[in-house]
Amino acid sequence: AQSVTQPDIHITVSEGASLELRCNYSYGATPYLFWYVQSPGQGLQLLLKYFSGDTLVQGIKGFEAEFKRSQSSFNLRKPSVHWSDAAEYFCAVSLISNFGNEKLTFGTGTRLTIIP
Amino acid sequence: DVKVTQSSRYLVKRTGEKVFLECVQDMDHENMFWYRQDPGLGLRLIYFSYDVKMKEKGDIPEGYSVSREKKERFSLILESASTNQTSMYLCASRAGLAGPLGEQYFGPGTRLTVT
Repeated sequence: AQSVTQPDIHITVSEGASLELRCNYSYGATPYLFWYVQSPGQGLQLLLKYFSGDTLVQGIKGFEAEFKRSQSSFNLRKPSVHWSDAAEYFCAVSLISNFGNEKLTFGTGTRLTIIP
Repeated sequence: DVKVTQSSRYLVKRTGEKVFLECVQDMDHENMFWYRQDPGLGLRLIYFSYDVKMKEKGDIPEGYSVSREKKERFSLILESASTNQTSMYLCASRAGLAGPLGEQYFGPGTRLTVT
């Protein structure tokens, strides 16, 4: 079955350091991939998305992600994190249901803590 | 800006009660979704609706039903609440014509506690 795996439950990074959050997918065809962020007490917000074209995708808030077909990965990166980046991050893949409707399947999330 | 609102931020109900969670969006979106979010499990899709009066089961529909009588409103119903339905419930909407890359817009969530 198609799935999304986020192997890191919790990551702690110093402010100003670089960040990489891992996401692996299991999907037969070329997937539609997303990263969403959930700040404390908030709903989810889209950071970036990918289907085809350039494998390095730029998003909001200075985030980028790289699609690597050979590794079935779509890792999220940021060169220098800010305290406001502390949040939970979800990778997701868009799937077609049995009735032909589009839906998202989410990974289990990675909680990011920023330390001074 | 797209706005998705949920009727309550916090809700406490007793076991066996019938519970209604309401979601309203103001962008004329065709698609609406209900998820539950639990620590370590991420977001799991309960039900979604792709048009008025149209619905489809998600990954964990057991114990839930939904209603979509108007385009802007999507209700999640717990017919007889149980303690294992204690969770955060998130509603989302998306434009139907946006295709598989279309963004879902999320509400702030309802934290439901069933005692």
